[in-house]
Amino acid sequence: GAVVSQHPSRVICKSGTSVKIECRSLDFQATTMFWYRQFPKKSLMLMATSNEGSKATYEQGVEKDKFLINHASLTLSTLTVTSAHPEDSSFYICSAATGTRAPGGEQFFGPGTRLTVL
Amino acid sequence: QKEVEQDPGPLSVPEGAIVSLNCTYSNSAFQYFMWYRQYSRKGPELLMYTYSSGNKEDGRFTAQVDKSSKYISLFIRDSQPSDSATYLCAAHNYGQNFVFGPGTRLSVLP
Repeated sequence: GAVVSQHPSRVICKSGTSVKIECRSLDFQATTMFWYRQFPKKSLMLMATSNEGSKATYEQGVEKDKFLINHASLTLSTLTVTSAHPEDSSFYICSAATGTRAPGGEQFFGPGTRLTVL
Repeated sequence: QKEVEQDPGPLSVPEGAIVSLNCTYSNSAFQYFMWYRQYSRKGPELLMYTYSSGNKEDGRFTAQVDKSSKYISLFIRDSQPSDSATYLCAAHNYGQNFVFGPGTRLSVLP
């Protein structure tokens, strides 16, 4: 199956710093990448959808200036958490799809990045 | 009301038991239904994918969708300790984003 990687897998940072998380599709071209956030015992919450070469579409309530998304190529999307605060501590998961909207079988998830902001 | 509801558990069963995991949803427009398995500190992996109502079987896993009652189920036969994970249901309509349930934590005890 298709493989999606994320880097780093875990990051600890001080409050006020910025953190960049990379999401890569390793063996396929992803026209669309999704960024999710997950709190313990909670469902995955979609933060934004990014299509290669265009601006990301953010879900309601997600601050686009705080969570910067860049989808520079068909295999790489980055999420930058700017001026991180402790409440940004969470598990961030990306997924990649080959179409602009995917039926259930065509979205592949990365392993996730655990962010802890001190 | 959340669009997809799921009992968070935890659910503990002995090895070899049949496990039944369930979700309900409120949006009658949903057409695609998925079950994902998520191990601790890992991303979700797709287990089963069903379009519209009906049953789908894959090895020890069976997914059922009943659109009339807006109810989706995942059955695991002959459960193994390696099945211990969080199971997430998800639903969407084509062209729309996925909506996930909160997940049910399953422990299969040897």
